[in-house]
Amino acid sequence: GQQVMQIPQYQHVQEGEDFTTYCNSSTTLSNIQWYKQRPGGHPVFLIQLVKSGEVKKQKRLTFQFGEAKKNSSLHITATQTTDVGTYFCAGPGGATNKLIFGTGTLLAVQP
Amino acid sequence: DGGITQSPKYLFRKEGQNVTLSCEQNLNHDAMYWYRQDPGQGLRLIYYSQIVNDFQKGDIAEGYSVSREKKESFPLTVTSAQKNPTAFYLCASSIEGNTEAFFGQGTRLTVV
Repeated sequence: GQQVMQIPQYQHVQEGEDFTTYCNSSTTLSNIQWYKQRPGGHPVFLIQLVKSGEVKKQKRLTFQFGEAKKNSSLHITATQTTDVGTYFCAGPGGATNKLIFGTGTLLAVQP
Repeated sequence: DGGITQSPKYLFRKEGQNVTLSCEQNLNHDAMYWYRQDPGQGLRLIYYSQIVNDFQKGDIAEGYSVSREKKESFPLTVTSAQKNPTAFYLCASSIEGNTEAFFGQGTRLTVV
């Protein structure tokens, strides 16, 4: 079945450093979504990318969808302690477009 | 307020008992999902439903059952056949299968 992997599994940075997480799907995706889950919380939608090669920015966050629509990345510039959490990518899979989540990247930011 | 509600937030059960987790949404969404999350793990799909009276198994459906009799409701039953039921359970809904998902607050189930 379809698999969505993310690397790294865990990243610890000093506040102010940059951070990137990578998402790779075993199949081509019609779109890619990114979610953030704060410790103890539930996932919250951040953004959706649809077009091949698409790049979108949200303040310090930059999202990219690969040309082949099988991979994506999230880059955070100058991390802050409020960025702490687990970042998940997700894509629709199968004939019924069920939402399949990646394995997630846990980001820890040291002040 | 529109949203998706899970109850209860914390649930304790004895081993061998079935337990039903509630999930209700007033967003008029067609698609609904149940995910399981274990400590330090990602989200694994248990069941999903694209429309009323229809649902499909996800990757880890064994030991779980669902129903979708109303558009607003998608309860999940954790049966005694589930070997390791202690986990964080998240319900989500979306307009359709490939759009933004909204999550409930989750139910943390502990089986002793």
